[in-house]
Amino acid sequence: NAGVMQNPRHLVRRRGQEARLRCSPMKGHSHVYWYRQLPEEGLKFMVYLQKENIIDESGMPKERFSAEFPKEGPSILRIQQVVRGDSAAYFCASSWDSAADTQYFGPGTRLTVL
Amino acid sequence: GENVEQHPSTLSVQEGDSAVIKCTYSDSASNYFPWYKQELGKGPQLIIDIRSNVGEKKDQRIAVTLNKTAKHFSLHITETQPEDSAVYFCAASPRAYGNKLVFGAGTILRVKS
Repeated sequence: NAGVMQNPRHLVRRRGQEARLRCSPMKGHSHVYWYRQLPEEGLKFMVYLQKENIIDESGMPKERFSAEFPKEGPSILRIQQVVRGDSAAYFCASSWDSAADTQYFGPGTRLTVL
Repeated sequence: GENVEQHPSTLSVQEGDSAVIKCTYSDSASNYFPWYKQELGKGPQLIIDIRSNVGEKKDQRIAVTLNKTAKHFSLHITETQPEDSAVYFCAASPRAYGNKLVFGAGTILRVKS
């Protein structure tokens, strides 16, 4: 029973490039959450998605960041024109449905912006 | 919005001793409180959770207590082992604002053998 999968595990980008982070939820889970963890800090909520819908994006920066969870395929967190301050670990979590509080986390993608 | 504070930021205990980590939350609408363990380079792993209709929950060496009136909850680890060394995060779910989790800043637990 595969858990939450994220790829790539490590991503290096130069300033101004685009970063695409992928998340495949646990089997049977249709709810995906993205969190960001800055060095030596806690996790901060970014966005909550269901299939083809963004439910809550209150934690997303207003510019350069976007997320999607298409009908088929993984959820994608996209960061355009990356800056050094985007360097962080990005974690995806999934849950079974909206009534299920329990969120299971993936291993994360560690983004480094040079 | 919800705010979660976690103490202490670091905790060192001798192997076999108990460890206690405390969290407070601000939003009385929060009704779900998970605890996660994060090892270096890995994602957070759920170790125990509690809902607001329960005051205490135990799973082997790990227990969580919740005081809704005071808006605080605690993680108790008994008979600590070196493999318990990790960063522990508490979180609260302010359901009024969706299913997002609001995390505390984390506690670095070191178990000395």
